Amino acid sequence: AQSVTQLGSHVSVSEGALVLLRCNYSSSVPPYLFWYVQYPNQGLQLLLKYTSAATLVKGINGFEAEFKKSETSFHLTKPSAHMSDAAEYFCAVSDKGGSEKLVFGKGMKLTVNP
Amino acid sequence: NAGVTQTPKFRILKIGQSMTLQCTQDMNHNYMYWYRQDPGMGLKLIYYSVGAGITDKGEVPNGYNVSRSTTEDFPLRLELAAPSQTSVYFCASILPNRDRNTEAFFGQGTRLTVV
Repeated sequence: AQSVTQLGSHVSVSEGALVLLRCNYSSSVPPYLFWYVQYPNQGLQLLLKYTSAATLVKGINGFEAEFKKSETSFHLTKPSAHMSDAAEYFCAVSDKGGSEKLVFGKGMKLTVNP
Repeated sequence: NAGVTQTPKFRILKIGQSMTLQCTQDMNHNYMYWYRQDPGMGLKLIYYSVGAGITDKGEVPNGYNVSRSTTEDFPLRLELAAPSQTSVYFCASILPNRDRNTEAFFGQGTRLTVV
């Protein structure tokens, strides 16, 4: 079964600092990878998704992620954190069985300090 | 365009009671899913459906039931509520495409407490 790993549960950065959220996947074939964001008391919304067309994927709100097959990673970055980025971030992989079920990592709560 | 709508937003149940969490989407999406979210555990798939009349179990289906009589609606039923079912429940839908990387749309969630 496919899975993704997000190590740690919480990260804190200062406003303007680099945001780096790590995600590693387990798959023997190219996976369908996503990053979703959840703002407090809301549902999840898509930040970005990996397509085989490009290894560097740009998403909404200045976020991007780089697919590295050699490291089985899909880390999420943003050069300069904003207070409004405070949220929980989930890495996910889509099932290949035809149902497109999403398997989520445990999530990473991002705090941005002024 | 409402997207995915879940009701109720909050509910407190007593042990042994039953209830139905409602989910409806107006995007004509074929695939629908129910997840539960527990702190520090991410989201776990309860049940899913790839079309009207078709449902299947996910990772944590025990204690739940679903039905899919229409494309729009995908209710989740708890028959005998237990404290372990205290969680936040999310419904999601997808319109699958050839590229297999389509976006999932989520409802706002239902926060359920079983006491």
